[in-house]
Amino acid sequence: EAQVTQNPRYLITVTGKKLTVTCSQNMNHEYMSWYRQDPGLGLRQIYYSMNVEVTDKGDVPEGYKVSRKEKRNFPLILESPSPNQTSLYFCASSPSLGQGSHQPQHFGDGTRLSIL
Amino acid sequence: SQQGEEDPQALSIQEGENATMNCSYKTSINNLQWYRQNSGRGLVHLILIRSNEREKHSGRLRVTLDTSKKSSSLLITASRAADTASYFCATALLQGAQKLVFGQGTRLTINP
Repeated sequence: EAQVTQNPRYLITVTGKKLTVTCSQNMNHEYMSWYRQDPGLGLRQIYYSMNVEVTDKGDVPEGYKVSRKEKRNFPLILESPSPNQTSLYFCASSPSLGQGSHQPQHFGDGTRLSIL
Repeated sequence: SQQGEEDPQALSIQEGENATMNCSYKTSINNLQWYRQNSGRGLVHLILIRSNEREKHSGRLRVTLDTSKKSSSLLITASRAADTASYFCATALLQGAQKLVFGQGTRLTINP
């Protein structure tokens, strides 16, 4: 089954304790992206990747890191989490996202992070 | 403000009625997409309309796009309780960053 898988689904942790949220897709998609969703703010893009070893900042990259060593995986790293990073996080992928491309994004089920 | 803004923010109707949601955006787009999100779950793609298209249908969904007004609408006909969800428009920009820009969404409630 074609899917985007995020882990963990829920996490409660404390300020400053490094954490990684994994994202994996089995559709051989080139484009992957991370969003955070906060009440009243909709979805905001954190980082995206056009392909392996190609990543770029989205609208709210501060406090986050990503890597794209393999096509299927796009982990989100919080080196020193803070309470303002408490949010619902989504990973998404699509075949491509160039100007000539008209492809929808496939979303994971989300990861709810609480940073105390 | 965001590229995509939905209107209304919340909509409550009776089952069987039609629901219309609107989306406005600011810059030129490659395409516009509508997504549905059930509470706390991931977004599910509903329909994509290209910038050179004016209307598109999928089942009970009808999407229109007016690039001169930089706006789109999503119509759900004969609504059902299962349509209760948040609906988001997302624009794929024509130039600049390669990304989808999401609006804040419309919360739709279908009352039985």
